[in-house]
Amino acid sequence: GENVEQHPSTLSVQEGDSAVIKCTYSDSASNYFPWYKQELGKRPQLIIDIRSNVGEKKDQRIAVTLNKTAKHFSLHITETQPEDSAVYFCAASPTSYGKLTFGQGTILTVHP
Amino acid sequence: DSGVTQTPKHLITATGQRVTLRCSPRSGDLSVYWYQQSLDQGLQFLIQYYNGEERAKGNILERFSAQQFPDLHSELNLSSLELGDSALYFCASARDWRNTEAFFGQGTRLTVV
Repeated sequence: GENVEQHPSTLSVQEGDSAVIKCTYSDSASNYFPWYKQELGKRPQLIIDIRSNVGEKKDQRIAVTLNKTAKHFSLHITETQPEDSAVYFCAASPTSYGKLTFGQGTILTVHP
Repeated sequence: DSGVTQTPKHLITATGQRVTLRCSPRSGDLSVYWYQQSLDQGLQFLIQYYNGEERAKGNILERFSAQQFPDLHSELNLSSLELGDSALYFCASARDWRNTEAFFGQGTRLTVV
């Protein structure tokens, strides 16, 4: 089955800096890669996603890049703000069904 | 608000007991997923239903079972509960059974004592 590795497990940045979280996946059949943000005690919320026919996608301060050959994808957050502090999860899903395999999560802390 | 409703929000029960968690998907969504989130295991996929039928199975214990009803709500049944079953249980729904956007409910926090 699919295996998703996520790094780093914790990331601490100063407000205004950029943050990058990286994930690798194992199943070459995966073609949908969402990123979720989870605040303490709350539900995971989809913040951005990318499909395998696209190499990069941006939404304001957030961007995701995908390298299918290397089987890795990354989340980039620019001009970080304290409210970006949360746990971020990457996930991968194969073409045949919608099951998401999640990475272990990255605790992002943005210091004012 | 994602539109996915889970009840109850909190549940405290004793070892050996049986509980039922309920999920109502977003209007129009046919697919329901159940995930377990614990500190040491992260977010683990348990099971997926699509339009009343089981579509995919993950790391779901034999003590656990689920179903999706004709009105598309789903229930996750957990029996012979153990301390290690304490976790957040999330339901998510999506339009289709393929890899489309999944929206999560607020979760049910289960504590087994």
